[in-house]
Amino acid sequence: GEDVEQSLFLSVREGDSSVINCTYTDSSSTYLYWYKQEPGAGLQLLTYIFSNMDMKQDQRLTVLLNKKDKHLSLRIADTQTGDSAIYFCAESSQGGSQGNLIFGKGTKLSVKP
Amino acid sequence: NAGVMQNPRHLVRRRGQEARLRCSPMKGHSHVYWYRQLPEEGLKFMVYLQKENIIDESGMPKERFSAEFPKEGPSILRIQQVVRGDSAAYFCASSPTRDTGELFFGEGSRLTVL
Repeated sequence: GEDVEQSLFLSVREGDSSVINCTYTDSSSTYLYWYKQEPGAGLQLLTYIFSNMDMKQDQRLTVLLNKKDKHLSLRIADTQTGDSAIYFCAESSQGGSQGNLIFGKGTKLSVKP
Repeated sequence: NAGVMQNPRHLVRRRGQEARLRCSPMKGHSHVYWYRQLPEEGLKFMVYLQKENIIDESGMPKERFSAEFPKEGPSILRIQQVVRGDSAAYFCASSPTRDTGELFFGEGSRLTVL
């Protein structure tokens, strides 16, 4: 069935780059998404990439998509303590509505000062 | 422009009671989604509604769970005869258009079943 896999934890030092990786199974997904969840809060859409793109850059965020390997990554440049949160990768469910997203379990990013 | 509003933020119920969770979408959004997040898990899709219609309920458990989005008022997720396994965070999201994964999430309602 459909599945999205992420590593559960990542720890970096302030100022370093963070790279969060994700693999997905549904090759027909039109869009792939990165959401951020801060403690006690709902998810916030960070960025998304259309499936015919290889890369998308948005300020400190860079998304790389390797469609052949079904691998998605999120790079955060110059990571700050305010970036500490859980980051979820998501794809649209095959055959479902676009808002029916399959989420990974999330990667908890800890940023050490 | 207020975001997605969910209430209550925290709800405690005893086994066998009913839980009602409410969600008011962002202004101008007519598409509402409910997701459930179990401890240490990602979010799982439950149901997608437009005003007065259930569009996709493929993630809803077959029994005890129901959802509505009436013409007036908030969307409601109703869980009858709650069990301990229903303890989770329930997130509502809304979007302005139909075919998009750009969802705006509320802060969630955390249900604890004793």
